[in-house]
Amino acid sequence: GQQLNQSPQSMFIQEGEDVSMNCTSSSIFNTWLWYKQDPGEGPVLLIALYKAGELTSNGRLTAQFGITRKDSFLNISASIPSDVGIYFCAGDKTHGSSNTGKLIFGQGTTLQVKP
Amino acid sequence: DAGVIQSPRHEVTEMGQEVTLRCKPISGHNSLFWYRQTMMRGLELLIYFNNNVPIDDSGMPEDRFSAKMPNASFSTLKIQPSEPRDSAVYFCASSPDRGLGEQYFGPGTRLTVT
Repeated sequence: GQQLNQSPQSMFIQEGEDVSMNCTSSSIFNTWLWYKQDPGEGPVLLIALYKAGELTSNGRLTAQFGITRKDSFLNISASIPSDVGIYFCAGDKTHGSSNTGKLIFGQGTTLQVKP
Repeated sequence: DAGVIQSPRHEVTEMGQEVTLRCKPISGHNSLFWYRQTMMRGLELLIYFNNNVPIDDSGMPEDRFSAKMPNASFSTLKIQPSEPRDSAVYFCASSPDRGLGEQYFGPGTRLTVT
């Protein structure tokens, strides 16, 4: 079945450093989404991408929709302790030219930030 | 604005008992999704509804699981009978437009079956 390969699996960085994580797939997606999950909470939507090549920012976060439509990356600049959590990529499975609304999630990247 | 509301937040039950999880989607959203999250399998889609109609239940593990959406503001996920391997966090999510793909998650229900 379709899978999203997310890397790295975990990161331990110093406060102030930049972070980069990515997702790849063997299939094409129409939509890429990035979520963050804090302990004991549900995933929170960070950024949504809809077009190949699209680059979108949300504060210190920047994400890009790969030109091949099979990958996406998320960058966090100048990390702070509250960036700690699990980051998930998700893709909307294509069905012809329309999205199905059915998301496939990556395995997650656990980020730890040392003050 | 109220987000997705789930209840209960925590549920501990004994094997064989019936469990009912509840979800109130964001008002105006027309799609609702039920997920299960475990360490081993990550986030798994169980079933989703569009305009209160079940569209895809291929992720429902077995006949012990059932879901309903009697109206646009309420959905339930029922497990009967429950088993220890059902222990997980169950999330409900809603989306304003299936075509956009954006889903908004509730806080989850942590289920423990002993």
